[in-house]
Amino acid sequence: SQTIHQWPATLVQPVGSPLSLECTVEGTSNPNLYWYRQAAGRGLQLLFYSVGIGQISSEVPQNLSASRPQDRQFILSSKKLLLSDSGFYLCAWSLGKKNIQYFGAGTRLSVL
Amino acid sequence: GQQLNQSPQSMFIQEGEDVSMNCTSSSIFNTWLWYKQDPGEGPVLLIALYKAGELTSNGRLTAQFGITRKDSFLNISASIPSDVGIYFCAGPPGANSKLTFGKGITLSVRP
Repeated sequence: SQTIHQWPATLVQPVGSPLSLECTVEGTSNPNLYWYRQAAGRGLQLLFYSVGIGQISSEVPQNLSASRPQDRQFILSSKKLLLSDSGFYLCAWSLGKKNIQYFGAGTRLSVL
Repeated sequence: GQQLNQSPQSMFIQEGEDVSMNCTSSSIFNTWLWYKQDPGEGPVLLIALYKAGELTSNGRLTAQFGITRKDSFLNISASIPSDVGIYFCAGPPGANSKLTFGKGITLSVRP
């Protein structure tokens, strides 16, 4: 069966420091991958999605970037964190044209 | 872009009560999904609906795909404390794999 892993679960970083959040999917090939941010336990904002290795689409201009170095690996990065980058970051995957997305457990990022 | 509307933002019910939530759109959706997010966790899929008029159950949960294809309903019967969480509706705005999510309804259950 397929599983999705995100780490770390929580992260506290100072303003101006770099960021790297990792997401990996097991048990499937060629998944579509997504990064979302959720502020204050509310709606999900799609940040990036990827349909294949090296293919990244950005949904909103921001201080973050994403990369997909391997088929089942999706990385969210920043060179210099801002206070406004704090939030709950979720990775998700889906397969082909099926629209169901499956989410990881999330990373709680606090930028101080 | 297409939006999914969920209201109210929060609902408070007594344990044992039934609760109904709806999700509406100004555009037609061909798939409706309902997710639940427990505090501090990622959303988990509850029910997926693929046909107008479809009624699907998952335990105490029942969801329906509206006939107009512009709305969907989720009902929870005999609520229990573990039903607490945020309930999201979602659907694909077109032929690609991205999803549009509603803003979610936070459900609180008083014991």
